[in-house]
Amino acid sequence: DTGVSQDPRHKITKRGQNVTFRCDPISEHNRLYWYRQTLGQGPEFLTYFQNEAQLEKSRLLSDRFSAERPKGSFSTLEIQRTEQGDSAMYLCASSFRTGWGKETQYFGPGTRLLVL
Amino acid sequence: ILNVEQSPQSLHVQEGDSTNFTCSFPSSNFYALHWYRWETAKSPEALFVMTLNGDEKKKGRISATLNTKEGYSYLYIKGSQPEDSATYLCAFTSPHGDGGATNKLIFGTGTLLAVQP
Repeated sequence: DTGVSQDPRHKITKRGQNVTFRCDPISEHNRLYWYRQTLGQGPEFLTYFQNEAQLEKSRLLSDRFSAERPKGSFSTLEIQRTEQGDSAMYLCASSFRTGWGKETQYFGPGTRLLVL
Repeated sequence: ILNVEQSPQSLHVQEGDSTNFTCSFPSSNFYALHWYRWETAKSPEALFVMTLNGDEKKKGRISATLNTKEGYSYLYIKGSQPEDSATYLCAFTSPHGDGGATNKLIFGTGTLLAVQP
């Protein structure tokens, strides 16, 4: 399978705990994105990397959230001191740079987080 | 604020019916309109990327049109099958995000399609 993979697929945690999610993009893709989907909403943009550089962060990404892409390959998204409002589906996508806004982003299956 | 709206919110049809959904987006500062199909427990699947006014794309029984001047796109499914049951999402990209050029997708809330056999 050469698609985008995410791990874990499901995570249940208690309020106040830290969680980390991993995303492995399609191997030749140099752009990687994180989105979050809450119930009844469409996915919302969180952050985006080109190679290892984090080029854009949404205002939705509070100080408790941090994302890295250390070698321009896989990425991690960490949430510190989780809150019940963090419960959502976290989606990762990747693309190959062909031009602003017009390239297809390929999504992984997501990590569903439940904070109790 | 850039807003993408989709209608209807949900749709229940019989196998063999044809159906269509609407996506509305800001007509100014437009780069591209993307359609995705998202089946439960799977990854969202890219269907189309459209950039030019009047664009029409087709993939099997699914087709889409784009009107950038008035800010809407239609997705059509001809002869719906149970395997078409999914949430259909549209997303818009704009050259001006929070502070300049951006590649982020701005999604609508989706149309949930259920096709009864």
